[in-house]
Formats: sequence, structure tokens, C-alpha cells
Amino acid sequence: DAGVIQSPRHEVTEMGQEVTLRCKPISGHDYLFWYRQTMMRGLELLIYFNNNVPIDDSGMPEDRFSAKMPNASFSTLKIQPSEPRDSAVYFCASTGGVTGPQHFGDGTRLSIL
Amino acid sequence: ELKVEQNPLFLSMQEGKNYTIYCNYSTTSDRLYWYRQDPGKSLESLFVLLSNGAVKQEGRLMASLDTKARLSTLHITAAVHDLSATYFCAVFFYGNKLVFGAGTILRVKS
Repeated sequence: DAGVIQSPRHEVTEMGQEVTLRCKPISGHDYLFWYRQTMMRGLELLIYFNNNVPIDDSGMPEDRFSAKMPNASFSTLKIQPSEPRDSAVYFCASTGGVTGPQHFGDGTRLSIL
Repeated sequence: ELKVEQNPLFLSMQEGKNYTIYCNYSTTSDRLYWYRQDPGKSLESLFVLLSNGAVKQEGRLMASLDTKARLSTLHITAAVHDLSATYFCAVFFYGNKLVFGAGTILRVKS
């Protein structure tokens, strides 16, 4: 059974460029979460979806960040334009039902130069 | 403000010893989660606690939830080196807000 799949695993780009992170949740899961993890700020919830609808996006840092879930099997997190302070590990997680344990992907390590 | 506080933030313990990690939260919730993260890796779910008095055990780890005290504990029994990791608690507050604690770095020394 495939877990949560994130791509790319690593991304290095220059500031000002657009960055798109991708996530495929576990089939049948109806909740999808995006997180950012840094040494300074720890693990932060950015946004989560239920049945492809955003439920809480209060963690999205600013308008440069946007997330979409066009269907049940795919989500994107986009940063435009990117800045060095966006460098972090971004995790995607999914769960079946809001009370279930979250299954995390391996993360995308993003470096903005 | 919705807060989740873990303590200690860093724990160094000898193999074979027992210890407890605490997770306090600021307001009403009956949904609490514990996760483990190894260095450079993703997070792994350990326990889901959904009601007052819930207790779950897996191996040397036991988690409990007291919703009245707004407190969860993660108890480690007879620690072994393989338990070295960072442990997070997370609380799903009413109003659909999910907040993670800062994490407890556990180092078990042989």
C-alpha cells in the first residue's frame, strides 16, 4: 500500500522563482494537510483540506503561498515569488476521517538561495 | 490563544530508566495525538487519544489523556537506545484548529 507521496524530494532554486510542491495522498483518505518545519519555528500547519475543500488556511504565512487540491488524489503548494526565509522541509500528510492518525510523506527539502 | 506546551524540550536519559513527557494544552479538546520523528526523517504516528481517560500502550511507550486537566503524558518504561527521537504531541481544538507542540528531543544513553 503506497503511502503519501511527495515530489520533489529536494528543490534548490533562486529567490524570486516560483516553486511548486506536489502531494499525492493515500487513496481513500479525505483529509490532507500541508506543514512546514524549520529549526527556528518548529512544525507549523499551513493549511488542510477536507474532501478537496480548504478548511483552515490560517497558517499560510502570506499571499505568496497558495495551495490547491483539484481532486482527491493530488494537491499542490505553490510559493511565488520565493524568498530565502521560505527554506524549510515541507511535509504533506493525509488521514481518513479527522480523528484518524496522520500519515506523513517523506517531505520536500526546499532551499531558496 | 491556542497553545500546546511540551516539557521537557530535551531529555537525556540512561537506558533502563523510566521517564514521562508532558503535553499541556490551553483549551478544550478531546483529540490528542503523539508522533515520533527520527533525525532527517518524516513523522510517524504513535497514538491517537480521543476521550478523557484514554490510555494506549505500544511496547515501552504508554500515552494517556486527562481532558479535565488538559494534559497528556507519554511514559517511557525501561528506555532503550532505539527510542531516541523527537516526540511531538498535537491537539485538535474545537473550531477545527490543529496545533503541534514544540517537540521533545529524547536521547537515550547506554
